[in-house]
Amino acid sequence: DIQMTQSPSSLAASVGDRVTITCRASQSMSNCLNWYQQKPGKAPKLLIYGGSNLQSEVPSRFSGRGSGTDFTLTITSLQPEDFATYYCQQSYSSPRTFGQGTTLVIK
Amino acid sequence: EVLLVESGGGLIQPGRSLRLSCTASGFTFEDYALSWVRQAPGKGLEWVGFIRSETYGGTTEYAASVEGRFTISRDDSKSIAYLQMNSLKSEDTAVYFCTRDQRVDTAMVTWYYFDYWGQGTRVTVSS
Repeated sequence: DIQMTQSPSSLAASVGDRVTITCRASQSMSNCLNWYQQKPGKAPKLLIYGGSNLQSEVPSRFSGRGSGTDFTLTITSLQPEDFATYYCQQSYSSPRTFGQGTTLVIK
Repeated sequence: EVLLVESGGGLIQPGRSLRLSCTASGFTFEDYALSWVRQAPGKGLEWVGFIRSETYGGTTEYAASVEGRFTISRDDSKSIAYLQMNSLKSEDTAVYFCTRDQRVDTAMVTWYYFDYWGQGTRVTVSS
């Protein structure tokens, strides 16, 4: 199984900040990496697919980069609605594993 | 509008069975694979399994934690996917989400991503 390791596990930031979340895979997986945002009590929402493709209607302050084993999700100019938990997830091979999540909290 | 609505959750005793349903609307159901993803209380997301569209054989894959106990099926005529859960354990307690899987074919690999999610249904396994 491909193991996904996210860092940090939690992150405190302020509105307007730029933040980056990292996801590392235990083996190379091309660009088969997706990012999801989840707010408490809600279903996850797709942000980025294929490493860097912004899902429709997702604000352009979200961006993804990476290929192989190392990937990043960057949020520029944090907005109040961005404080949530973020998960990476690989689709290169089964089982389709998720990272453990990064919780973004208000500083 | 794409909608996925899960139902069938509830409180169930260990060792018993439960069937969840995922009713879809707003898209051509038969053209898509579907997955089930769960989230235990206070924990992260865990992929449970998925079913391909009939175009790609309607075959299934499962996480090791549920293989042999859970079965995913689909009824394209009703736009419903099912998760049959047998021999339930306390560690199966979670919110269960169904997802629509968007397929990507490249020269190197075929892969999927979850582009739409249902709101989830809660399953509690306890005596």
